[in-house]
Amino acid sequence: AQSVAQPEDQVNVAEGNPLTVKCTYSVSGNPYLFWYVQYPNRGLQFLLKYITGDNLVKGSYGFEAEFNKSQTSFHLKKPSALVSDSALYFCAVRPPASGTYKYIFGTGTRLKVLA
Amino acid sequence: NAGVTQTPKFHILKTGQSMTLQCAQDMNHGYMSWYRQDPGMGLRLIYYSAAAGTTDKEVPNGYNVSRLNTEDFPLRLVSAAPSQTSVYFCAISGAPGQGGSPLHFGNGTRLTVT
Repeated sequence: AQSVAQPEDQVNVAEGNPLTVKCTYSVSGNPYLFWYVQYPNRGLQFLLKYITGDNLVKGSYGFEAEFNKSQTSFHLKKPSALVSDSALYFCAVRPPASGTYKYIFGTGTRLKVLA
Repeated sequence: NAGVTQTPKFHILKTGQSMTLQCAQDMNHGYMSWYRQDPGMGLRLIYYSAAAGTTDKEVPNGYNVSRLNTEDFPLRLVSAAPSQTSVYFCAISGAPGQGGSPLHFGNGTRLTVT
């Protein structure tokens, strides 16, 4: 079965330190990969995506993500965390472009940035 | 340009009652979908529609949708059950071939079934 795993329920990091939020997937073919962020009482907001090309993709608010095909991972990173980055982060995968619209979401990782 | 508008924001239902959650978009996107979000479960797809006049479901029972036009995609709970207590999100996107068009989400409807 196709799946997305976010192994950490919560990640704590001190403000100014680099952060990593992990994501691995189990989907055949070459899926599209996404990261979304959710603030309290809001819907998810798109951060960045990987379709093809350079393995390091840059997105909104200084976030970037590294695609690793051999490890089927798509980890979210930021060089210097801000308190305002505290939120719930979701990794999502869309199976290869065969006309399917079905996104598969991970269970989410709560990021807490400590001042 | 509001993007995706969901109403109501909150609602409490009694078991067995029916209710329609509204979703409207002004981005002219073809694809619309409904997800539910439960603690520790992430987001689960309930129903989606690739275009007006077509719908496909992911979960077997308890929900119904219609897609009469491009803008609206209401989700109906036919006979509410406590297991349907959740936060429901409507999400839209462009066609899947359009460079991996991301999902745009509404702000959700928090539904409690007692």
